[in-house]
Amino acid sequence: EAGVAQSPRYKIIEKRQSVAFWCNPISGHATLYWYQQILGQGPKLLIQFQNNGVVDDSQLPKDRFSAERLKGVDSTLKIQPAKLEDSAVYLCASSRGPGGPNQPQHFGDGTRLSIL
Amino acid sequence: QKEVEQDPGPLSVPEGAIVSLNCTYSNSAFQYFMWYRQYSRKGPELLMYTYSSGNKEDGRFTAQVDKSSKYISLFIRDSQPSDSATYLCAMMVTGFQKLVFGTGTRLLVSP
Repeated sequence: EAGVAQSPRYKIIEKRQSVAFWCNPISGHATLYWYQQILGQGPKLLIQFQNNGVVDDSQLPKDRFSAERLKGVDSTLKIQPAKLEDSAVYLCASSRGPGGPNQPQHFGDGTRLSIL
Repeated sequence: QKEVEQDPGPLSVPEGAIVSLNCTYSNSAFQYFMWYRQYSRKGPELLMYTYSSGNKEDGRFTAQVDKSSKYISLFIRDSQPSDSATYLCAMMVTGFQKLVFGTGTRLLVSP
């Protein structure tokens, strides 16, 4: 079973520029998550999709961050304009459904974003 | 106060030692408790999970939950250099898939 694919692996941009990340979940997984992991901290959920609908985006800074999951498969996360505090690893995860740990979340290796 | 507290370490032990990793939490609604392992420049991978209070064993790993104290632990027996990683505790309220993570404890096992 192929894992969660993310690209790019690394991205360096200047503040106020825009950036986009891409995620391809495990085949058949209906639920997709985007997390932000700042250095020295645990992952923080930004947004959760169930198929192509948003379940939870309460911690997404909506003035600069946006995400979509067209056709209920791949997803993109965009930041525009980027701020210095957005420097972090952006992790995508997927699970078969929105249930408990019997449907565990599988993580990709993330995109490491550096803001200059 | 953070919902989940975890000592960031690093915790350095010699090969073969018993390792104890711990988290405390404040939200009594948490029912599922998980431990993830994260190698450098990799995503987290689920090691174990427990539901409510009690113990669970899987090979060299044992997870314990004490809901009365709001305290969870992960024990690693006969630690190996390959166990060197960051260990993240995570918790979930029943019925919701939202995971709340601790900061992670970095473990270094020296040969």
